[in-house]
Amino acid sequence: QSALTQPRSVSGSPGQSVTISCTGTSSDVGGYNYVSWYQQHPGKAPKLMIYDVSKRPSGVPDRFSGSKSGNTASLTISGLQAEDEADYYCCSYAGSYTFPWVFGGGTKLTVL
Amino acid sequence: EVQLVQSGAEVKKPGESLKISCKGSGYSFTSYWIGWVRQMPGKGLEWMGIIYPGDSDTRYSPSFQGQVTISADKSISTAYLQWSSLKASDTAMYYCARQDGGYRYWGQGTLVTVSS
Repeated sequence: QSALTQPRSVSGSPGQSVTISCTGTSSDVGGYNYVSWYQQHPGKAPKLMIYDVSKRPSGVPDRFSGSKSGNTASLTISGLQAEDEADYYCCSYAGSYTFPWVFGGGTKLTVL
Repeated sequence: EVQLVQSGAEVKKPGESLKISCKGSGYSFTSYWIGWVRQMPGKGLEWMGIIYPGDSDTRYSPSFQGQVTISADKSISTAYLQWSSLKASDTAMYYCARQDGGYRYWGQGTLVTVSS
């Protein structure tokens, strides 16, 4: 399994919306509705923001939303805030008994 | 409250062995998969492997198969990640996380430094 493909960086101004893509294959992203997204601030553990493509854990603002089309999943952050500046990672179930999960390479979000 | 508490930072020499731990509390430890994730300095997250403490069913990424061993002791609600012979390239932060509709709960991370 190869890592899922994410853009290295995205940026946006406060109040704007940004979308981060996560491209896999029909064996992972496209084959299952088990894509999750994580936010990681420097020096901190990752935090689950979206699971099962589009579900939000309690406590995650509804500014964060997830979707999927074919082999590409997306995380959209609307109404950007300064505290959203972080690294974001996608993760997908890959269906293999021996290697069931794979992460994306990560995207650095800069709030201008 | 669900918590995963990892063991403290380690400094080791190449060739030494190491076992780090992840203790779960606040939930039924045997009912959820626990995964291990590596983050090398300045790099992204890498999925290493996963264990189901209820029956010790374990899966590994091909990149880590044979390089590390994942185990669990359900009697003390603790999962482990171990190396028999560390390399400098094992220097990284290692996280455990509970798999529950995504990796919902994370340990604080264990920094492993391997240097001669």
